[in-house]
Amino acid sequence: DGGITQSPKYLFRKEGQNVTLSCEQNLNHDAMYWYRQDPGQGLRLIYYSQIVNDFQKGDIAEGYSVSREKKESFPLTVTSAQKNPTAFYLCASSIFDRRGRGNTIYFGEGSWLTVV
Amino acid sequence: DAKTTQPTSMDCAEGRAANLPCNHSTISGNEYVYWYRQIHSQGPQYIIHGLKNNETNEMASLIITEDRKSSTLILPHATLRDTAVYYCIVRSLSGSARQLTFGSGTQLTVLP
Repeated sequence: DGGITQSPKYLFRKEGQNVTLSCEQNLNHDAMYWYRQDPGQGLRLIYYSQIVNDFQKGDIAEGYSVSREKKESFPLTVTSAQKNPTAFYLCASSIFDRRGRGNTIYFGEGSWLTVV
Repeated sequence: DAKTTQPTSMDCAEGRAANLPCNHSTISGNEYVYWYRQIHSQGPQYIIHGLKNNETNEMASLIITEDRKSSTLILPHATLRDTAVYYCIVRSLSGSARQLTFGSGTQLTVLP
């Protein structure tokens, strides 16, 4: 089935450790995104990537890093520099609607990161 | 992208139509209205989008006012599984790289 796969679903991190969240899509989408969601709040953009080997900072990039070596993959690393990493992380991707009706962004199921 | 305003919460009786409003008074001519919903601890699910004409799919209908400053998402026969936070977003027609800005959304609770 086509879609966006995030792993792991739940991750516990000790303070001072870096962790990497995986995001893979088989939708042949060009753009990929990482969002962070805190309880009771909307989504905040961390990083996004338009094409392979290129990515841009979003609104809250500090303490995070990404790579885009393959079209299908956009892993997010939460570094020890991120002061408050406990959150729900969402990966997304999009393709331009060739009918000219705008582009739709599709989301993965999310990953819960908890710092212990 | 233009900002949107939605009520914080709404209730709807099971089997009845759920009408979720959204104001986007600063929407520009090339911006689309998108609706997503999110069930707790899951990723947002795309529902529908439109530019200026009303749209309908298997999940919902989208009614956009003639001046495009507001819209209404209609779930024709709400079920308990439709309980979720519903997000209204406006974004422009451009390349696939445009970012998406979610606000706080509307918590819809479908009551038995």
